[in-house]
Amino acid sequence: KNEVEQSPQNLTAQEGEFITINCSYSVGISALHWLQQHPGGGIVSLFMLSSGKKKHGRLIATINIQEKHSSLHITASHPRDSAVYICAAPLETSGSRLTFGEGTQLTVNP
Amino acid sequence: GAGVSQSPRYKVAKRGQDVALRCDPISGHVSLFWYQQALGQGPEFLTYFQNEAQLDKSGLPSDRFFAERPEGSVSTLKIQRTQQEDSAVYLCASSLDRRLSSYNEQFFGPGTRLTVL
Repeated sequence: KNEVEQSPQNLTAQEGEFITINCSYSVGISALHWLQQHPGGGIVSLFMLSSGKKKHGRLIATINIQEKHSSLHITASHPRDSAVYICAAPLETSGSRLTFGEGTQLTVNP
Repeated sequence: GAGVSQSPRYKVAKRGQDVALRCDPISGHVSLFWYQQALGQGPEFLTYFQNEAQLDKSGLPSDRFFAERPEGSVSTLKIQRTQQEDSAVYLCASSLDRRLSSYNEQFFGPGTRLTVL
């Protein structure tokens, strides 16, 4: 069992749909990243959060540290949102290094 | 200001060849991390530097992998006698570490995609 798990692994949506990607972790953390990765490999950090909720444009990230769960929401999805979304966190057992989820491949069809 | 940069962006190597991958962190960032991402998987930790000191190399998969950061800024990840299973995207990240008592956000480079034939 991975210490950081994401679901779903693959997600296909129609343009305009509301999308939720979930991330759960099994040990304590102090913060969590949501990352976006397009073909070609480059990673863009969308959010880093340690409590509550953050919003940037159509993207919303929430976290409940005690319940060990975070979600990434995309409202009014668009084909350009198609990418791999990855959650990552520094586990309290691993210092500053990040442990990553397996990623969620999102495809938004027009 | 400039972000984390990596070079080359793409590298094709013949099996058995040595390769060197470079990471330029954000200026002034104390910590530097290397991660390896195999196709279709999430990245995995390789090694970590604080300034020039390599504090954790527990993720390096074999003794063919070697990393250095001699002056506490630019880092090089070297892979000797490359094998096909070394094919992956190699990601570098840096963080400021102004507050050592709490987690400091890591900023990622664009990665180097290594293909070993």
